[in-house]
Amino acid sequence: DVKVTQSSRYLVKRTGEKVFLECVQDMDHENMFWYRQDPGLGLRLIYFSYDVKMKEKGDIPEGYSVSREKKERFSLILESASTNQTSMYLCASSTSTDTQYFGPGTRLTVL
Amino acid sequence: QKEVEQNSGPLSVPEGAIASLNCTYSDRGSQSFFWYRQYSGKSPELIMFIYSNGDKEDGRFTAQLNKASQYVSLLIRDSQPSDSATYLCAVKEYGGSQGNLIFGKGTKLSVKP
Repeated sequence: DVKVTQSSRYLVKRTGEKVFLECVQDMDHENMFWYRQDPGLGLRLIYFSYDVKMKEKGDIPEGYSVSREKKERFSLILESASTNQTSMYLCASSTSTDTQYFGPGTRLTVL
Repeated sequence: QKEVEQNSGPLSVPEGAIASLNCTYSDRGSQSFFWYRQYSGKSPELIMFIYSNGDKEDGRFTAQLNKASQYVSLLIRDSQPSDSATYLCAVKEYGGSQGNLIFGKGTKLSVKP
């Protein structure tokens, strides 16, 4: 079974804090993704990575950065959290056939 | 802008009926098609994928693909209250970045006992 884990299920942070969200997959997948999901807006791609140390901007990269130092781990960083970054954050990894498998999600609240 | 369109619903069906969920996509060259189920507050989970025109069956679920009409559907037979969820359609566009899928916004299904 594919296993994608995320560091926290729920997180509460203050405006201006630096926030780290971590994602780990155990299936040796090349590709990893970070999405945010908001009511009425669906899944929106923030960043993705197709190899170690490689990253590509998605549709909404502003205010975010990522790090992929090891194949199994993909981190999302909010440099200075803002209230409009309150959302559900979903990490996914994918096989060579493009099937994406999602982690359980992190619900982030920025106060 | 490549798009995947789904009716947001809610689609309400009685228990035991067939639920039909539809999805259209704009990129005629799209290669692979996926259906995900997402329960409220949970992450999407893969139900099935389909690559070729026609039907693909897995238990109570059948995916149907018609590339000429740019249309993919998911049928759920003998619907159960536990099928109540939002169903996301996802498409791999031709020439798209490796592994990148375009997701629809989802159709909310409600199965009434």
